[in-house]
Amino acid sequence: QKEVEQNSGPLSVPEGAIASLNCTYSDRGSQSFFWYRQYSGKSPELIMSIYSNGDQEDGRFTAQLNKASQYVSLLIRDSQPSDSATYLCAVNAGNTGKLIFGQGTTLQVKP
Amino acid sequence: ETGVTQTPRHLVMGMTNKKSLKCEQHLGHNAMYWYKQSAKKPLELMFVYNFKEQTENNSVPSRFSPECPNSSHLFLHLHTLQPEDSALYLCASSQGVGIGTEAFFGQGTRLTVV
Repeated sequence: QKEVEQNSGPLSVPEGAIASLNCTYSDRGSQSFFWYRQYSGKSPELIMSIYSNGDQEDGRFTAQLNKASQYVSLLIRDSQPSDSATYLCAVNAGNTGKLIFGQGTTLQVKP
Repeated sequence: ETGVTQTPRHLVMGMTNKKSLKCEQHLGHNAMYWYKQSAKKPLELMFVYNFKEQTENNSVPSRFSPECPNSSHLFLHLHTLQPEDSALYLCASSQGVGIGTEAFFGQGTRLTVV
């Protein structure tokens, strides 16, 4: 059973701090990794994709991948109250388009 | 938001009803998906269609019947559902199904079975 694990939180950080969200996956053959943001009552929104070891940066967001440790993380710099949401980690292991999702980590950014 | 559109946004149905969920994508993608999101559970894939052909059925009960008439439209036909089927049903699309393909979601249909 392929699994993606996330701490459900909530993770609470003060405004302006760095939020660090973590995800581990069980299928060593996984090749594509995604972070989605989901506001309460809304649908998931793709915010980051990463495919190779190392860092991938986009504005205040940095995705980090370590395939040897089967670990993906998302860093949000200068966190804003508008970043408060549930962050979903998703893994694509093959050529089926199927994404395996974690349960999501709820982030709360306090003003 | 016009990329992936789902209708209706909310649906309440009785266990003996038959209803359909509709999804339309305007992104020129070739693959479409149905996902289910239940409270306290991870998003769960139900079906995958690639170029109108079903390529994945994630052991979904037959009371859920998908239909994909073309690459832009996807339906989920519902009949004799159970209260535990109440959930957010999300449609998604992607350019293809290869490694690295990015999926984009519609707004979802909040389904309540009474």
